[in-house]
Amino acid sequence: EPEVTQTPSHQVTQMGQEVILRCVPISNHLYFYWYRQILGQKVEFLVSFYNNEISEKSEIFDDQFSVERPDGSNFTLKIRSTKLEDSAMYFCASSGGLAGYNEQFFGPGTRLTVL
Amino acid sequence: AQSVAQPEDQVNVAEGNPLTVKCTYSVSGNPYLFWYVQYPNRGLQFLLKYITGDNLVKGSYGFEAEFNKSQTSFHLKKPSALVSDSALYFCAVRGNNNAGNMLTFGGGTRLMVKP
Repeated sequence: EPEVTQTPSHQVTQMGQEVILRCVPISNHLYFYWYRQILGQKVEFLVSFYNNEISEKSEIFDDQFSVERPDGSNFTLKIRSTKLEDSAMYFCASSGGLAGYNEQFFGPGTRLTVL
Repeated sequence: AQSVAQPEDQVNVAEGNPLTVKCTYSVSGNPYLFWYVQYPNRGLQFLLKYITGDNLVKGSYGFEAEFNKSQTSFHLKKPSALVSDSALYFCAVRGNNNAGNMLTFGGGTRLMVKP
């Protein structure tokens, strides 16, 4: 069964450093997303991406964040200058088709620890 | 703005007994509702969704959920709980006028099924 994959599973970085989190969505999906879950808190939407552009973003997704689909398979989240409060589990998701009622399939997550 | 409330942090049930995990929502327009399950150190797994039609929706692993428009609820149910159902359950909503397909999650409910 096709699944969303994410690398790395765990990333440790120093405050102020840039990190890139990588995701491979399900191959025939058209919508891509990033969510995050700070330890003990709810899953929060960051950004959605369709047709090579951001379709929606939350207040969390400020200028420090960017997303890119550099080729036909990868979808990346870049945090330009990490802060302590960026420590969280980051989930990539994808959904098929244009209809919003399609369920989103989530990857296993990347745990980001900012020291 | 859309929101989801899961009023119980934890639900305890004995194996073989029926279980209910509660969810209420607030959204503009008609809702698309989803339940996801998260096992330790894993991503979110889709269980079921309500889009339109029958208020009782059946999903994976014997779970079902009942949509109640007047009470704005979408409670997750299972007639007979298994120890292996122990996990963290998230309810999520998306409005049908949301261009970016953003999902808003509840805070999660930990289900503990005891033998």
